[in-house]
Order: sequence, then structure tokens, then C-alpha cells
Amino acid sequence: DVVMTQSPLSLPVTLGQPASISCRSSQSLVYSDGNTYLNWFQQRPGQSPRRLIYKVSNRDSGVPDRFSGSGSGTDFTLKISRVEAEDIGVYYCMQLIQWSYTFGQGTKLEIK
Amino acid sequence: EVQLVESGGGLVQPGGSLRLSCAASGFSFSSYWMGWVRQAPGKGLEWVANIKEDGSEKNHVDSVKGRFAISRDNAKNSVYLQMNNLRAEDTAVYYCATPGWGPFGIWGQGTMVTVSS
Repeated sequence: DVVMTQSPLSLPVTLGQPASISCRSSQSLVYSDGNTYLNWFQQRPGQSPRRLIYKVSNRDSGVPDRFSGSGSGTDFTLKISRVEAEDIGVYYCMQLIQWSYTFGQGTKLEIK
Repeated sequence: EVQLVESGGGLVQPGGSLRLSCAASGFSFSSYWMGWVRQAPGKGLEWVANIKEDGSEKNHVDSVKGRFAISRDNAKNSVYLQMNNLRAEDTAVYYCATPGWGPFGIWGQGTMVTVSS
């Protein structure tokens, strides 16, 4: 299985400040079609996960532009330019290049 | 409105069975792979199974192989997860979702499965 490793696992942030989450995969997530299948999800307390980013850097509809994804190969990053109160929750990366699809352990974003 | 609505969860004894259902609406269901993802209480996410648009290809994670079976009925815009020989470690919220290789990626609100005597 492809192992996804996130860091940090806990991220205290001051409102209005930036935040960054790292995700590393145990093998390249570049598929034979040239696409890199790495998604990011947000799970607010008590809610189901919501996809934020697909294929490394494409924001889903309705996702604020303060969220951005970047990276290539095995190293990826989710950035929040200015954290707002509604961003509290757990963030997961996920690979879809190979079955079985796997998620990172999750990064809990909390307000300082 | 685009949505996935799960049902069928509940309390079951170890060794028992449950069938989860997921009803899709608001999109062309038969054009998408579908899957089930679970989350044990206080834990992370695990993709359990997925199924191709026409049902011709199915995948199950090793921990459920031989016990769980995913299926779909495109005429009813529904996907199912038959769970047999349930164990305590299968206790989780089960989400229906599209795998999301491209622009379309949605999840349902989940249904709770509790395996306990």
C-alpha cells in the first residue's frame, strides 16, 4: 500500500495567520496519464469530510481561495493564507493512484 | 441538489450482517465510480471498497475481503455495501463517496455501524 504521512499532526494557529500542512507519499503519485492523484479534505467537527483540492492544486467549487495546494511526485502541501475560525477541523491528504486508496493520519487545526 | 444519502446502519452483534444503502441524486450516477469509506470513532479515514460505473470492476480493502461486498443498481441510482461476519473493529461511521479523480467529488453524511454484544 502507498503510505501517506502528514505533518504536523496538530497545528495551533492564530486567526489571520497562515498555516501549512505537509503530506508525503511512500511512492510517486504520478499516474501513467501524467496526472498526479492527490486530494485534500477538510473535516469540521461533527461533519462528514469535504473535498477541498483535487489533483494536487485544483480547488473544488465553493472552496475559498485562501486554500491552495501544491507539490509534485511524493511531496505535497496544503496552505491556508489566513486562517479563519471556520477552518477549524482535521485535514487529510489522500492518494488515488493505486488501490487501496489511502489517507494521511490527519492534521488537527486549532486556534491558539 | 447533488447529494448522497446513506442508510442501513445500526447496532449488530459480532458475527451478524448489515446492508448499507446509498441513494444518489442530482447527478449522472451511472457515469461515476462509487465507493464506501469508514471512520472508526475518534480515528482517521479508511477507503473500504469501490465499484466501477457499470459494476464490472470492484475493489475491497484487505481487512474486509471475503466479508464485505459492494454492489450498485444504476436503475435505482444506488450503491450498497453488504457486510457479513461483522467484528467489533468494523464499528465506524460509513460514508458513501465518489473517489474523486477529477472535478466531481462528493461525500454523504454517513451512517453509523456499531458491532457489539
